Amino acid sequence: QVQLVESGGGLVKPGGSLRLSCAASGFTFSDYYMTWIRQAPGKGLEWVSYISSSGSTMYYADSVKGRFTISRDNAKNSLYLQMNSLRAEDTAVYYCARTVGYCSSTSCPSTYYFDYWGQGTLVTVSS
Amino acid sequence: SYELTQPPSVSVSPGQTASITCSGDKLGDKYACWYQQKPGQSPVLVIYQDNKRPSGIPERFSGSNSGNTATLTISGTQAMDEADYYCQAWDSSIVVFGGGTRLTVL
Repeated sequence: QVQLVESGGGLVKPGGSLRLSCAASGFTFSDYYMTWIRQAPGKGLEWVSYISSSGSTMYYADSVKGRFTISRDNAKNSLYLQMNSLRAEDTAVYYCARTVGYCSSTSCPSTYYFDYWGQGTLVTVSS
Repeated sequence: SYELTQPPSVSVSPGQTASITCSGDKLGDKYACWYQQKPGQSPVLVIYQDNKRPSGIPERFSGSNSGNTATLTISGTQAMDEADYYCQAWDSSIVVFGGGTRLTVL
């Protein structure tokens, strides 16, 4: 069965760095795009970044662009998020999610959605 | 940037039909999906590509998308359906979530 297990969260001071990992199993990791999504305490879901199956293409939300870097190691079935220059507003539970793309008859891709999610890892940015 | 708007809360009586809306500019020209999140748990995909149900999702969950509005409909709502629901779309390489709707089953 598909499993996604995040790790690496914790308490970090503003301006600090943290690297999150997501270990995948139960599917062919290299066939799928992967995505990081976060949720601040008591708030809604916020997309952070996604990466193509080969790792050659990445997209970021404006809120993290230039500070966060997504990467993957297909040989290790692992997804990563390097977070630098952390701010209090980055405090959240960070989820990794398997990402499915769909091509319609008129465009490809037409959409992406997330069919499996990890349990999340909490990142707290505070002095 | 593209935005999706959901009502903060919806209430429904057990056994009745709940409808949760998600509004965005020409959303009907895109594909919408929906996630259910119960307290302390990770989100679960309940509808994708406007109206498709993943395996294991009960038939009482259905979706539609037309014009500027996507709708998640839960027929015969059960107490276990009480949760937060989020719509999501993809626009110009960017993933967009709605703000979420808390469904209360009274």
